[in-house]
Amino acid sequence: GQQLNQSPQSMFIQEGEDVSMNCTSSSIFNTWLWYKQDPGEGPVLLIALYKAGELTSNGRLTAQFGITRKDSFLNISASIPSDVGIYFCAGRIRNSGGSNYKLTFGKGTLLTVNP
Amino acid sequence: DGGITQSPKYLFRKEGQNVTLSCEQNLNHDAMYWYRQDPGQGLRLIYYSQIVNDFQKGDIAEGYSVSREKKESFPLTVTSAQKNPTAFYLCASSIGRVDDTQYFGPGTRLTVL
Repeated sequence: GQQLNQSPQSMFIQEGEDVSMNCTSSSIFNTWLWYKQDPGEGPVLLIALYKAGELTSNGRLTAQFGITRKDSFLNISASIPSDVGIYFCAGRIRNSGGSNYKLTFGKGTLLTVNP
Repeated sequence: DGGITQSPKYLFRKEGQNVTLSCEQNLNHDAMYWYRQDPGQGLRLIYYSQIVNDFQKGDIAEGYSVSREKKESFPLTVTSAQKNPTAFYLCASSIGRVDDTQYFGPGTRLTVL
């Protein structure tokens, strides 16, 4: 099946710093999603991207759909302690029938923010 | 409030017993999904259902079974055939159109002793 390579696996930063993480694939995706998961909870959608080159912001978060359609990145500016959690990328490939409900997930980036 | 509920939050079972995890949504979504999450792993798809009375196997369906008798409900049974059932199980739903977004429930942590 398709694989997403998400990096870095973990990050340990100081409050106020900016953060960047990315996902790459050998396959072409037509949707990229970024989720955040708090310990013991379900993932919460942060940003959804649908077009190559699209750059979308949600507060201090910014994500981009790569031009090649094989990658995406997520930036967090001015990090705060509540940014702590696991961030997942997820991508969808449109199959030959024109629809595809399946998402492929990266393994996640564990973010720790030191106050 | 609209959303996805999973119950219970924590579940303990003895090895060899079947166990059913509940997932209910009141979002009027057509599609529902079950994922398994293990430490250090991404989410892996077990089963999904695009419409009532229909479901398909995901990437790791062996040892699991599902039903979709109602639009709101998509229960997952972890059978004794599942070799390593201890994991965090997540249910999700989506509208069911192309390119729609999946929304997740709070999860059930299953521990098999």
